[in-house]
Amino acid sequence: QSVLTQPPSVSGAPGQRVTISCTGSSSNIGAGYDVHWYQQLPGTAPKLLIYGNNNRPSGVPDRFSGSKSGTSASLAITGLQAEDEADYYCQSYDSSLSGSVFGGGTKLTVL
Amino acid sequence: QVQLQESGPGLVKPSETLSLTCTVSGGSISSYYWSWIRQPAGKGLEWIGHIYTSGSTNYNPSLKRRVTMSVDTSKNQFSLKLSSVTAADTAVYYCAREEGCTSTSCYTANWFDPWGQGTLVTVSS
Repeated sequence: QSVLTQPPSVSGAPGQRVTISCTGSSSNIGAGYDVHWYQQLPGTAPKLLIYGNNNRPSGVPDRFSGSKSGTSASLAITGLQAEDEADYYCQSYDSSLSGSVFGGGTKLTVL
Repeated sequence: QVQLQESGPGLVKPSETLSLTCTVSGGSISSYYWSWIRQPAGKGLEWIGHIYTSGSTNYNPSLKRRVTMSVDTSKNQFSLKLSSVTAADTAVYYCAREEGCTSTSCYTANWFDPWGQGTLVTVSS
């Protein structure tokens, strides 16, 4: 049971827009802690996709965007491409655990 | 750019101690938090803990009793020891650098970047 809750899977056709939610609580996202997102392609290490709720590292396409409100955060992917098929994880800090916490991950399938 | 590489035995017997080292290249290990994160096959990511270059540590409460981390700044390395392992500790283990600030802003939660490629550790007799 992950501290941050994500849907197990989402899907979309090429060119479409999908969103992935990340729901936390008053000890993490709701407490004001920032949220980060990672993309994990099959057989590879996770790669930072979004940091600080809505900032993209250099090299990440602007098709990827993040937002945060209340106890939740979201990752949006527009103009879906086959290469976006991967697992996506949210991450934040939890004051009750005094450490970093991850969501359970969401598998994105491009139809 | 900074690169991380995990190393250590790929097979550990139950009840023994898992030991891994992460070597940092392309940059200094100083003045950062360095983390260990694991991922059982087909499952999500679990933060194990981190160590600052001063030696200060913080561990996941669920693993705290069994985890020890250390750092060797002269070798640009940091290490993980997990004692009394069971099959439940079988996973890919990643090392990663923690960041909390950019050149213009600091954030309320650190993120992990970059990551090592990961190393599979199997606990089996």
